[in-house]
Amino acid sequence: DAEITQSPRHKITETGRQVTLACHQTWNHNNMFWYRQDLGHGLRLIHYSYGVQDTNKGEVSDGYSVSRSNTEDLPLTLESAASSQTSVYFCASSEASGRARGNEQFFGPGTRLTVL
Amino acid sequence: GNSVTQMEGPVTLSEEAFLTINCTYTATGYPSLFWYVQYPGEGLQLLLKATKADDKGSNKGFEATYRKETTSFHLEKGSVQVSDSAVYFCALGPDTGRRALTFGSGTRLQVQP
Repeated sequence: DAEITQSPRHKITETGRQVTLACHQTWNHNNMFWYRQDLGHGLRLIHYSYGVQDTNKGEVSDGYSVSRSNTEDLPLTLESAASSQTSVYFCASSEASGRARGNEQFFGPGTRLTVL
Repeated sequence: GNSVTQMEGPVTLSEEAFLTINCTYTATGYPSLFWYVQYPGEGLQLLLKATKADDKGSNKGFEATYRKETTSFHLEKGSVQVSDSAVYFCALGPDTGRRALTFGSGTRLQVQP
């Protein structure tokens, strides 16, 4: 079965360190997204990609970067981790088109990141 | 820009009670509407969706109707179970030029036996 996986599931790091969160999907979806989930804010969009070599900033992109070298993977990098980036991070993917189906997004299980 | 407003939680109900979780939205164009559910320790799962006005999405006893005139997509269930305890997110989109979803803040539901 197709799926979307994230690793690690839990990560503790220190302020100032570089951290990379992995996201891998086997749906063959062109669209991939990174969200962060914080209490009272729901999910907020960090970065997204519509295909290989395409990346775009979301609403809360400061301090984060992504790269898309193939269809399956969209790693999220925190260049210099800050305590404000302690959160749960979700990766998602969807088909490039298909408005009639509502463009459903499929989510990974999440990564809980703690920055000390 | 697009936005979604959900009722504040937590919502605590007894088993077999009727559930309503309110969701209203602001959007340009004609976006799709979704309800996602997040069980403890898990990612988000699509619960139901509606792609145009007056559509009713339904799944696992939950229902929601896309009401363009009131810009609402309220989630309802006639008889909740303990296993329905989770966080529920209303989401908007995608729409022209934007393929990402816009989420509400989530509503935690706790069902007591």
